[in-house]
Amino acid sequence: EIVMTQSPATLSMSPGERATLSCRASQSVKSHLAWYQQKPGQAPRLLIYDASNRATGIPARFSGSGSGTEFTLTISSLQSEDFAVYYCQQYYNWPWPFGQGTRVEIK
Amino acid sequence: EEQLVQSGAEVKKPGESLKISCKGSGYSFNTYWIGWVRQMPGKGLEWMGIIYPGDSDTKYSPSFQGQVIFSVDRSISTAYLQWTSLKASDTAMYYCVRHDLRLWGQGTLVTVSS
Repeated sequence: EIVMTQSPATLSMSPGERATLSCRASQSVKSHLAWYQQKPGQAPRLLIYDASNRATGIPARFSGSGSGTEFTLTISSLQSEDFAVYYCQQYYNWPWPFGQGTRVEIK
Repeated sequence: EEQLVQSGAEVKKPGESLKISCKGSGYSFNTYWIGWVRQMPGKGLEWMGIIYPGDSDTKYSPSFQGQVIFSVDRSISTAYLQWTSLKASDTAMYYCVRHDLRLWGQGTLVTVSS
């Protein structure tokens, strides 16, 4: 079973800064990786699918990269509404596990 | 508008049974797998498994195999998540999600307490 590991657990940033979140798979998932944003009391929202494609309505400041086992979500300039928890998920191999999440908090 | 609308919050006692629902609308419900995700209080997301409404084909994540039951009623475009005997550790928010990962339900909070 593939294990997804996200780092760091918490990222303390200021508005306007660039945020870089990492996700590592224990074996190759090719490009079958998604990123989500979750705010308190809300369902997760798909940001990125197939490692680098933005979902409908997602601002261009969100970008995804990587393939195989190493993936990155970049938020180019943090806005106040971006402070949230971010999860990655692989969907190459059953049972499609999520990473444990990275909390992006205001510094 | 495409939507997945889940049933309301539930409070149950240990040992009781429960079935929560997820109703799809605005798209062809029978042609997309529906997944279920658990989020325990203050914790991360866990993928429970998936069901295909077209033929009820089901895949459970190993951690949830034998613990829950997925089903569908195609006639009303609704998927279900069922427990036959709840435990306190089943207390969580449960989300349904279309298998393309773009469409999520709003979540159903299940609280199991004596």
